[in-house]
Amino acid sequence: AQSVSQHNHHVILSEAASLELGCNYSYGGTVNLFWYVQYPGQHLQLLLKYFSGDPLVKGIKGFEAEFIKSKFSFNLRKPSVQWSDTAEYFCARRDTNAGKSTFGDGTTLTVKP
Amino acid sequence: ETGVTQTPRHLVMGMTNKKSLKCEQHLGHNAMYWYKQSAKKPLELMFVYSLEERVENNSVPSRFSPECPNSSHLFLHLHTLQPEDSALYLCASSQVVRGNQPQHFGDGTRLSIL
Repeated sequence: AQSVSQHNHHVILSEAASLELGCNYSYGGTVNLFWYVQYPGQHLQLLLKYFSGDPLVKGIKGFEAEFIKSKFSFNLRKPSVQWSDTAEYFCARRDTNAGKSTFGDGTTLTVKP
Repeated sequence: ETGVTQTPRHLVMGMTNKKSLKCEQHLGHNAMYWYKQSAKKPLELMFVYSLEERVENNSVPSRFSPECPNSSHLFLHLHTLQPEDSALYLCASSQVVRGNQPQHFGDGTRLSIL
């Protein structure tokens, strides 16, 4: 079965610290990779996505992620976090042919002001 | 505003009740999904609909019964639920089932089973 692993369940950072959230996916043909964010009390929303091409993907709010095929990884990064980045972050894969999305467990990020 | 609206936002029901969750999308998408989000667990895909036809059912108990009368509306009918069914139920839509388009999520319905 396809899977997505997020290594960190809860990350606590101070403002201006750099962020990297790990995500690994199981091998399974052509995949599309996503990071979603869920702010407290809000719906899941798309941060960024990778389909093909440049493995370094820029998303909204200063986030970026790098697709490393050899490591089956798609880690999320931000150089300097803000208090407003406090949220839960989900990595997801979507198999192009099957159309099925598989989500990781999520990582809760708490940014201290 | 996501374009995907779920009602009600909160629902408390007993194990013998029958209720329905509603989802409506205003994005012109052809695919709709039900997910279950429990604490400390990844999102679990429950059902997938493409153009009102169910294309996936992920071994969900029969006490959950989906209905998709048209491509804009999706229901989840609930009956004789168990306490472990308490969770956040998320509806999502995408342009098509297959392909690389992201999903758009609703705010969810927080379900509590007494």
